[in-house]
Amino acid sequence: AQSVTQLGSHVSVSEGALVLLRCNYSSSVPPYLFWYVQYPNQGLQLLLKYTSAATLVKGINGFEAEFKKSETSFHLTKPSAHMSDAAEYFCAVSQDSNYQLIWGAGTKLIIKP
Amino acid sequence: GAGVSQSPRYKVAKRGQDVALRCDPISGHVSLFWYQQALGQGPEFLTYFQNEAQLDKSGLPSDRFFAERPEGSVSTLKIQRTQQEDSAVYLCASSSQRAAPLRDTQYFGPGTRLTVL
Repeated sequence: AQSVTQLGSHVSVSEGALVLLRCNYSSSVPPYLFWYVQYPNQGLQLLLKYTSAATLVKGINGFEAEFKKSETSFHLTKPSAHMSDAAEYFCAVSQDSNYQLIWGAGTKLIIKP
Repeated sequence: GAGVSQSPRYKVAKRGQDVALRCDPISGHVSLFWYQQALGQGPEFLTYFQNEAQLDKSGLPSDRFFAERPEGSVSTLKIQRTQQEDSAVYLCASSSQRAAPLRDTQYFGPGTRLTVL
């Protein structure tokens, strides 16, 4: 069965510092991988997705993620954090043969001024 | 254009009551998903519609949960005889594609927060 692990329920970084949110997955076949962001009182919004094209995926708001098959990871990064990045971030995985997205528990990103 | 909307945004029910949660997807979107998100957790898949056909309901936790999309647009998730463990945020998402729906972006509504007392 597929699963997603997000290390750290809360991550705190200073404004301007590197953001690194970790996501590891388990999947028996090449997966589709997604990062979503949830701002307070708003719906989940897609940041980026990996669908077997380039392993480095660029998303909105300056975020990017790299698919590393050998590490079964899809970590999310941003070079310089902004106060507006404070939100909860979710990693999700699935296979094309399955309609279901399997989600991680989420990581709350806190930006310190 | 309007995004996915859900109503009500908040619902408080007494244990044993029936509730109905509504989802209005983006106009013309073929695929519609329901998820349940417990506090501090990621969403969990409940069911999937392609137009009016419910193609997957494997995530529905019990036979008290029922979803429909009779005309292929608006969807309703009904929970009968609510229990405290049903307390969660219920999310609806839609996407435009029919085939390979997971390659297509899912657009989420703001959710309905259900509290069962």
